[in-house]
Amino acid sequence: NAGVMQNPRHLVRRRGQEARLRCSPMKGHSHVYWYRQLPEEGLKFMVYLQKENIIDESGMPKERFSAEFPKEGPSILRIQQVVRGDSAAYFCASSPMGAAKNIQYFGAGTRLSVL
Amino acid sequence: AQKVTQAQTEISVVEKEDVTLDCVYETRDTTYYLFWYKQPPSGELVFLIRRNSFDEQNEISGRYSWNFQKSTSSFNFTITASQVVDSAVYFCALPANAGGTSYGKLTFGQGTILTVHP
Repeated sequence: NAGVMQNPRHLVRRRGQEARLRCSPMKGHSHVYWYRQLPEEGLKFMVYLQKENIIDESGMPKERFSAEFPKEGPSILRIQQVVRGDSAAYFCASSPMGAAKNIQYFGAGTRLSVL
Repeated sequence: AQKVTQAQTEISVVEKEDVTLDCVYETRDTTYYLFWYKQPPSGELVFLIRRNSFDEQNEISGRYSWNFQKSTSSFNFTITASQVVDSAVYFCALPANAGGTSYGKLTFGQGTILTVHP
């Protein structure tokens, strides 16, 4: 049973470009969470999605960031017009349900570097 | 609001020593769950344990053990006879409380960097 798959593992973008990060949840999981790990900081929640729905985006910056989890295909975290401060590791996690008791299984992360 | 504090930023030990990583949390929930994750140098996050608040029995898994104390809001993690492969960042985490309905949005502690020297 494959785990959570994130790609690419490393992404380099120049300032002003767009970054697209993909996350395929574990088989049977319909709940996806995105977290960001900035240098010298811990992991911070960004957004929680179910298929075709954004449930909680309270951790997402108001501008340039968006997320989706379509009926078919992976979840996408999109960052438009990237800036150096967006350089971070972005982790995706999935769980079978959204309840607090459910274990979230994490992908290996995407390391975004903005030049 | 949920809060998780891991006061130890870095710990350095020599192989075979025992080491305890502290985690203190704040929540208004009467029942809740707590998690520990490990982030080895390769960078991925690995689930270690889930504990519910209504079961205070300590848990042991091989060299790992967890001490949950609801009275002091602590969920400490001990590695016995540490090994070099235990070197990693360890995170304690607590799911959110949204208007009385808990769900999976995790609040993480700052993490403790554990280095085990040979």
